[in-house]
Amino acid sequence: NAGVTQTPKFRILKIGQSMTLQCTQDMNHNYMYWYRQDPGMGLKLIYYSVGAGITDKGEVPNGYNVSRSTTEDFPLRLELAAPSQTSVYFCASLPTALTYNEQFFGPGTRLTVL
Amino acid sequence: GQQLNQSPQSMFIQEGEDVSMNCTSSSIFNTWLWYKQDPGEGPVLLIALYKAGELTSNGRLTAQFGITRKDSFLNISASIPSDVGIYFCAGPTGNQFYFGTGTSLTVIP
Repeated sequence: NAGVTQTPKFRILKIGQSMTLQCTQDMNHNYMYWYRQDPGMGLKLIYYSVGAGITDKGEVPNGYNVSRSTTEDFPLRLELAAPSQTSVYFCASLPTALTYNEQFFGPGTRLTVL
Repeated sequence: GQQLNQSPQSMFIQEGEDVSMNCTSSSIFNTWLWYKQDPGEGPVLLIALYKAGELTSNGRLTAQFGITRKDSFLNISASIPSDVGIYFCAGPTGNQFYFGTGTSLTVIP
């Protein structure tokens, strides 16, 4: 099992550019999450999905979009990058919302918007 | 959203010392989670607490679920250099997870 993989590891964007952060898990987990972590802060939930075809907003969804067409993939889309979106982005998955001991995080994508 | 505050914000301790940190919330949680994040990595779950007053250990780590259900505590005994990292508390509500602000731990050999 590769676990949760994220690509790219690093990216620099110009203001107004768009990009997709990729997240893939090979554990057949139903629940997947996207978080952002600003320097010195905890993780803030952007979007989550409880299964293919189902997505929902978290605490800080503005400026982002997601889709979940398969169980394995949960891409995060930034349409018009802004400096406020400079952050480290983590994807996570777990089988169901209560299976905390089987939760895994990806290694993160460090995004800088200039 | 939910506010989870952790203290202290950072700690510098000598190897072998014990460590205590806590997490307080403005809301009640039915579950408390504690994670460790190594530099450049995602968080890893250390301990999950499910009942008010519960005390749970994982090796040298012990966590407690506060009886008010608005706080939780993590202790690390006999710290070692690999304990370095950021420790986060988190509280799940429905399908969402709310994370604390983190406690950064530095262990001086």
